[in-house]
Amino acid sequence: DAGVIQSPRHEVTEMGQEVTLRCKPISGHDYLFWYRQTMMRGLELLIYFNNNVPIDDSGMPEDRFSAKMPNASFSTLKIQPSEPRDSAVYFCASRGAVSRTDTQYFGPGTRLTVL
Amino acid sequence: AQKITQTQPGMFVQEKEAVTLDCTYDTSDQSYGLFWYKQPSSGEMIFLIYQGSYDEQNATEGRYSLNFQKARKSANLVISASQLGDSAMYFCAMREVPFSGGYNKLIFGAGTRLAVHP
Repeated sequence: DAGVIQSPRHEVTEMGQEVTLRCKPISGHDYLFWYRQTMMRGLELLIYFNNNVPIDDSGMPEDRFSAKMPNASFSTLKIQPSEPRDSAVYFCASRGAVSRTDTQYFGPGTRLTVL
Repeated sequence: AQKITQTQPGMFVQEKEAVTLDCTYDTSDQSYGLFWYKQPSSGEMIFLIYQGSYDEQNATEGRYSLNFQKARKSANLVISASQLGDSAMYFCAMREVPFSGGYNKLIFGAGTRLAVHP
């Protein structure tokens, strides 16, 4: 079975540009999570969805960040305008509804560099 | 607030030997889950092992085992017969129960970098 798919794997952009990160969760999973990983702050949960509905976006740093999940197999995280401090690795993860362990499975991540 | 502490920023082990990576947690909840993830240099986060707070036996997955000591609030990862490919960052995580209800969010420790030497 395919795991969580993220694209692009690497993104280099200039300050002020719009950045869109994409995620396809594992088929049948109804929870989707967006994380950000930096050296300074470690892994931070930005937002998560259940059945395509945003449940908790308290980790989204500011209004420049937005996330959508138009259907069960696709989600985007958008940064507009981007800033150098947004440089990080962004992970998407998904979890199935019937899961004794609540295990989240992560995608390979998108390494974002904002110049 | 719930918290995960990994006190070893870096560890090294000789190939084929066993190594223990420490993890302590703080929670007032009775029901919780503990996880270990591996992050190799390629960057992906790989799920390794899970331990539930009500599980009577320590979890094992191949060469990975979790030394769960509930009274001490510790959930150490034991890797037996280390291999060069085990060199990576290892994260301990706990399932959090929000006061408002809903899904149990994961919180992560800072990680331990393991180096396996030949």
